[in-house]
Amino acid sequence: SAVISQKPSRDICQRGTSLTIQCQVDSQVTMMFWYRQQPGQSLTLIATANQGSEATYESGFVIDKFPISRPNLTFSTLTVSNMSPEDSSIYLCSVVTGGFHSGNTIYFGEGSWLTVV
Amino acid sequence: LAKTTQPISMDSYEGQEVNITCSHNNIATNDYITWYQQFPSQGPRFIIQGYKTKVTNEVASLFIPADRKSSTLSLPRVSLSDTAVYYCLVGDKDSSYKLIFGSGTRLLVRP
Repeated sequence: SAVISQKPSRDICQRGTSLTIQCQVDSQVTMMFWYRQQPGQSLTLIATANQGSEATYESGFVIDKFPISRPNLTFSTLTVSNMSPEDSSIYLCSVVTGGFHSGNTIYFGEGSWLTVV
Repeated sequence: LAKTTQPISMDSYEGQEVNITCSHNNIATNDYITWYQQFPSQGPRFIIQGYKTKVTNEVASLFIPADRKSSTLSLPRVSLSDTAVYYCLVGDKDSSYKLIFGSGTRLLVRP
């Protein structure tokens, strides 16, 4: 398994500001992802964080709004830019590790709960 | 990416066995089936993963029929602390491990 630490765990942000969320893993991992979970909803994939190159974004998410960095195999950041109340969500980092025969397992951090006021 | 379908909610009582079935008719040959548990305001927690037949670990069993178009998560003797949302997902390296979450199943365990 992998131990994933996210910071901050919770924050209240002012409309129009930006906040950077950090994700630190205790071991090198092949892939890292960022998800968003709006209140009462399921998880939605934002992007794949690629080590040393630009992130790959899913439909509906753009780099200007959610810039992502991944400088090495254990760390990534997600910035939520120019926040509005609609950005109030839990943001989750997930990683892929090897295991279970030929399959791989995906683990999630505890999430960063952002409330935009 | 294979889509999954699960019941929206289930109710149970402490000490009972709970079986949650997930349909994944379009599962690909290389896809694994993975189940996650999520408590409010927490990240999803890996429960169990399987490819075919039966898999058992310390918390659950996963039953997968030969055609792999469905799977059943079995939770033995549930307790109040098992009240959570349970997600069934399929995927593998060919899908770049992207997990597409459905609505999940909200399990409520009553005393």
